[in-house]
Formats: sequence, C-alpha cells, structure tokens
Amino acid sequence: DGGITQSPKYLFRKEGQNVTLSCEQNLNHDAMYWYRQDPGQGLRLIYYSQIVNDFQKGDIAEGYSVSREKKESFPLTVTSAQKNPTAFYLCASSIGLLSAEQYFGPGTRLTVT
Amino acid sequence: AQSVTQLGSHVSVSEGALVLLRCNYSSSVPPYLFWYVQYPNQGLQLLLKYTTGATLVKGINGFEAEFKKSETSFHLTKPSAHMSDAAEYFCAVSAAYNQGGKLIFGQGTELSVKP
Repeated sequence: DGGITQSPKYLFRKEGQNVTLSCEQNLNHDAMYWYRQDPGQGLRLIYYSQIVNDFQKGDIAEGYSVSREKKESFPLTVTSAQKNPTAFYLCASSIGLLSAEQYFGPGTRLTVT
Repeated sequence: AQSVTQLGSHVSVSEGALVLLRCNYSSSVPPYLFWYVQYPNQGLQLLLKYTTGATLVKGINGFEAEFKKSETSFHLTKPSAHMSDAAEYFCAVSAAYNQGGKLIFGQGTELSVKP
C-alpha cells in the first residue's frame, strides 16, 4: 500500500539535544512538507520541498533543519535552538507544485524535558 | 495573502443531529479549499476538496461542503451525526497556482457527538 510513514510515533529527548524525525513516502510525490501542531493553533508549516535537493522555509523554520537527498525521504531535525520543541509533528506530501491536495503521515509526538 | 477562520473551537451535537462546521476564508486569488479530519494522535485525512466546477462538494463518510464565493465560506455539513464522527476538523485554503501547494489551516474545530 502506498503511503507516508513517520517514525518513531513517540520520541523523548533531553533539552539541548538535537533530534531527527523520519518521514518516508512511497507515493512517488515530488513535494513534501513538515508541519508542527500545537493545541488550539492548527498546523503551522515548518519547511517544504518541491523537488529533490531543494527546500524552502515555511512560517516557523527557526530552530529546524531539513534535507531532501532522495525523493522519498524528507527528514526533519529539531535543533537545540528551537525554544519550544515539544509538539506533534506531521509530515505530508503532494504530487507536485500545482496539486495542493496533501496526504499526511501518522505524526510523531516529540517531548523534550 | 490567504487565511482561514473556523468559527467555534468546540461543537457538540447529539447522535443523529445535523453537523455544521463553519469555515470562512480570505484569498486574493481563486482558492482551493479543503476539509481534513484528525482522530486523536493520528495524521490528517482528507474529507473533501473544492478546486473548480461544482460548488457543492461531496466527500467521504457522508460529509459535504458548499463553496460560496459571495460569502467567502466553505461550511462542512452532515445530515446525521454518528458517534464515529467525533474528531477534530480542519479547514484549509491554498492558492490555485504559484504557491507551491502550500496549505493554510484554520485553528480546528473539535466535534463531540453525544449519545
């Protein structure tokens, strides 16, 4: 079955440590996205990538980094510079630039103490 | 610039009653509009979408929404609520072109269904 996988489902880290969240898709989609979800705030875009080896900052990119070395993979690193990293992180993909319909992974809940 | 406003962060209905979740948008270009549903600790699932054409859009699980340009609205409805409809619902807008498929989400509306 085609879809998006995110791992792990739950992640715990100590403050000051970088952590990388995995996102893999086998939908052959060109575009991929990372969102952060906090209670009562909807989803906010962190980074997005429209094609391999290219990505753009979203609305809240500070303290995060990404890479897009392969079409199917778009890992997100939450760095120690992110002031409030505890959140639910969602990865999504879409066919490409002109197709706005996005498909979402199951999410990773990150807790930093 | 685009934005989405969902009226009511919590909506409660009785099982079998009409479900109405309100969404208003702002967009300087023709919009694409979406409704997504999210169950606890899960990702988002697309319920329905409006791109062009017919303004009344039917989605999964008996939901539908009507695009009303004059009112800049895209309200979600279902004639008869089921217990399994309890979830959080997000309205989203995207520009029809030249925006990299970026979605702007509303704050979400949590739907409770009482037996």
